[in-house]
Amino acid sequence: SAVISQKPSRDICQRGTSLTIQCQVDSQVTMMFWYRQQPGQSLTLIATANQGSEATYESGFVIDKFPISRPNLTFSTLTVSNMSPEDSSIYLCSVGTGVTGELFFGEGSRLTVL
Amino acid sequence: GENVEQHPSTLSVQEGDSAVIKCTYSDSASNYFPWYKQELGKRPQLIIDIRSNVGEKKDQRIAVTLNKTAKHFSLHITETQPEDSAVYFCAALFGNEKLTFGTGTRLTIIP
Repeated sequence: SAVISQKPSRDICQRGTSLTIQCQVDSQVTMMFWYRQQPGQSLTLIATANQGSEATYESGFVIDKFPISRPNLTFSTLTVSNMSPEDSSIYLCSVGTGVTGELFFGEGSRLTVL
Repeated sequence: GENVEQHPSTLSVQEGDSAVIKCTYSDSASNYFPWYKQELGKRPQLIIDIRSNVGEKKDQRIAVTLNKTAKHFSLHITETQPEDSAVYFCAALFGNEKLTFGTGTRLTIIP
């Protein structure tokens, strides 16, 4: 399976600031997704990162709050904008292998917003 | 949208006994059902999956069964060991590309 690297692995942020999380994959992948995992909760899909076009957001998530870039088939970024304590979560990059449905996750980025 | 329910939310079993976690899904068109294991502070790891053209799949001590008619699938872990302690998530594929996850089961193996 692909090696997926995320950074930062964790950060403590101040309210009102923004943070960009990077996801690097060691091979070209078709599907890249961003998930959020709030403390003690399940995984919720934020958006599908589309190469060369705007991301596709799930209900409850908007581009102004979570802008996503995907300039090529191996790299994507997620920005968490104007953060509040409610944004304290683990943010996970995930990639599809090309086999329908099969999904693998990066190590995650644990954000704490004070 | 797709809905995946998972039960129980917590499960404690004696080491060596079996553990069963159950999930139901709402979209009858779903055809791919993976299970993930997440240890504390780590990423979710795919441990087994099943597609709708089979009813059961085994990999050593873990197995997954699928009942398409009833729209439910289950994870079975036999001869449980302390290292099986983790949170387990089921998921179902929705719209042919997006996974919807269950709420998770915290499994504790009692030595």
